Amino acid sequence: DIQLTQSPSSLSASVGDRVTITCRASQTIDIYLHWYQQRPGKAPKVLIYAASNLQSGVPSRFSGSGSGTDFTLTISSLQPEDFATYYCQQSYSSLWTFGQGTKVDIK
Amino acid sequence: QVHLVESGGGVVQPGRSLRLSCAASGFTFSSHALHWVRQAPGRGLEWVAVIWYDASNKYYTDSVKGRFAISRDNSKNTLYLQMHSLRVEDTAVYYCARGEVVGIIEHWGQGTLVTVSS
Repeated sequence: DIQLTQSPSSLSASVGDRVTITCRASQTIDIYLHWYQQRPGKAPKVLIYAASNLQSGVPSRFSGSGSGTDFTLTISSLQPEDFATYYCQQSYSSLWTFGQGTKVDIK
Repeated sequence: QVHLVESGGGVVQPGRSLRLSCAASGFTFSSHALHWVRQAPGRGLEWVAVIWYDASNKYYTDSVKGRFAISRDNSKNTLYLQMHSLRVEDTAVYYCARGEVVGIIEHWGQGTLVTVSS
């Protein structure tokens, strides 16, 4: 299986901060990398698909970049509703995998 | 509106079996690949299995291969997950989810909790 490693596992930030989360794949996955946000007790929500495409309805402060093995999710100015856990997910292989998650909490 | 409703979760002893179901509505069921994704209490998301729209292909994560079986009944708009030889580490909320062509999951069920405990 393709392994996805996110860093950091958790971070503390303040409203207005710029936040960057990285996801590294164990082998090249082209741009088949997607980002989700999950709030407690809720199902995950797609933010970015195919590495850099903003899902419909998602605020433009979210952006994604990367290809091959290294990917980044950036939140340009953290808002109160952004405190959540973020996951990357690959669909390059028929066996999908998720990263272990990055929890963003209030500083 | 897409609706996915899981059922069949509960408490089961290690080594026993359980079958989960997912009733779907609001879309053309037979046109979409469907996935099971699980989340252990306080832990991250783990992709479990996928079945293609016509059941021609099925794939599983290594930890459940040979123990779990995904299936679907397109005449009943229902997805299944048959779980055998359950282990304590299979304890999780199991989500039924609809896959999209671009490789994401946009629609999720509410989840059903499976607890494996003696």
